[in-house]
Amino acid sequence: NAGVTQTPKFQVLKTGQSMTLQCAQDMNHNSMYWYRQDPGMGLRLIYYSASEGTTDKGEVPNGYNVSRLNKREFSLRLESAAPSQTSVYFCASIEGQLAKNIQYFGAGTRLSVL
Amino acid sequence: KQEVTQIPAALSVPEGENLVLNCSFTDSAIYNLQWFRQDPGKGLTSLLLIQSSQREQTSGRLNASLDKSSGRSTLYIAASQPGDSATYLCAVCHLPQGGSEKLVFGKGMKLTVNP
Repeated sequence: NAGVTQTPKFQVLKTGQSMTLQCAQDMNHNSMYWYRQDPGMGLRLIYYSASEGTTDKGEVPNGYNVSRLNKREFSLRLESAAPSQTSVYFCASIEGQLAKNIQYFGAGTRLSVL
Repeated sequence: KQEVTQIPAALSVPEGENLVLNCSFTDSAIYNLQWFRQDPGKGLTSLLLIQSSQREQTSGRLNASLDKSSGRSTLYIAASQPGDSATYLCAVCHLPQGGSEKLVFGKGMKLTVNP
């Protein structure tokens, strides 16, 4: 059972470069999320998609864009990477309401911006 | 603004001890509280979810309690084992003003169980 799959697992970028982080889930979940995890900060929500065709900003959306390509896939794009975006990025998905159900997380993408 | 605190940030214990991990939150208007486990270099795995109307949930050697009025939850681990070594995160689901329901995470507590 694959669950939530993130690619790539590791990436090193130079300041100003762009890249797209990919996320796919095979559980037929409606909602998908992107978080970043920084030392001493916990997980913070970047963007989420409640259903196919919709996206909304989370707590820290600046510098990022997202695309809900279809029900399975939710990508996160950094248009011009900055050192402050060095972090571990997690994608998560959920079936139904966050108030009643658990989120399933991918293994993460570790990004360094030099 | 909802804030979630986990103290201490790290704990090292010998194998076999019964452990209590603490979590506190500032706003008692929550839908649920969840405990997650994170192994090094891995994603989060949900351990227990307690709905706001519940007082506790149990899964194997894990028992989580919720006291919503005081803004506290504890995760009890019985007879700890080296395989329990991981970072444990607490998160509350709440409805921020003007938005939709969100999870707010604590910073986690790194547990090391020594053989």
